[in-house]
Amino acid sequence: GQQLNQSPQSMFIQEGEDVSMNCTSSSIFNTWLWYKQDPGEGPVLLIALYKAGELTSNGRLTAQFGITRKDSFLNISASIPSDVGIYFCAGHLLSGNTPLVFGKGTRLSVIA
Amino acid sequence: SAVISQKPSRDICQRGTSLTIQCQVDSQVTMMFWYRQQPGQSLTLIATANQGSEATYESGFVIDKFPISRPNLTFSTLTVSNMSPEDSSIYLCSPKTCGQGNSPLHFGNGTRLTVT
Repeated sequence: GQQLNQSPQSMFIQEGEDVSMNCTSSSIFNTWLWYKQDPGEGPVLLIALYKAGELTSNGRLTAQFGITRKDSFLNISASIPSDVGIYFCAGHLLSGNTPLVFGKGTRLSVIA
Repeated sequence: SAVISQKPSRDICQRGTSLTIQCQVDSQVTMMFWYRQQPGQSLTLIATANQGSEATYESGFVIDKFPISRPNLTFSTLTVSNMSPEDSSIYLCSPKTCGQGNSPLHFGNGTRLTVT
C-alpha cells in the first residue's frame, strides 16, 4: 500500500526547545493531518491541512501542506513536558475517496 | 466531532479464544473504520463497515479472522477470532459520515488487547 515516510523516528529534546518533524511520500495527497497519541489513548487530531501551501497554527503547533502535495511538516515551539507522546502524520491520497494512510510516527521525549 | 466509546478498554485473553469489541458513536454515521495498531507501530486499516452491507477488508485482513457487524448507524463490532499473541494490539474504531469528503478522522481511546 501507499507509504508515508515520517522522520525522525524519535527525538529527545530539552524543555523549551523547538521541534520539527516531517512526512514525505512519492504520491500526491489532497489532505494532510497531524495527530498526537498519548500512552493508553487513541490518536487526537492536532491540525488538518487541505490546500497545497497551507500553513496552519494551533497554539504552539504549526503545520504546512507542501507545495508539491507530497510532504508536510509539523513544528512545535517552546516544548513543554506535556508535549511528550507519539506524533503521526496521515493523509488522504489525491485519487478519490481513499482510506486515511498513516506515517510510522515520531516519538517525542522532552527532558525538563 | 462525534463522541466515540469503545468496550472493553483493555483485555487479556487466552490464545485460541475470540474477543468482540464494541464501538458506539453518539450520532449516526455512514462508515465505521476499524484500525489496528500493533505495539510500537502506526495505525493500519483493517476494514470499512457500512450498514446493510458486508464490510470491505484491506489486503492482509479477512472476514473469518475479523468478522464485523454494523447493525445500525451508531454501532459496530469487531471480533478478533481464534486469537494468537500476534493479535496483541490496540484496536480502534473511527466513524465517518458520507459527504464529509476527506474530513479528518477522530478516534476513541481504543481497545488494548493482550493475547497470552
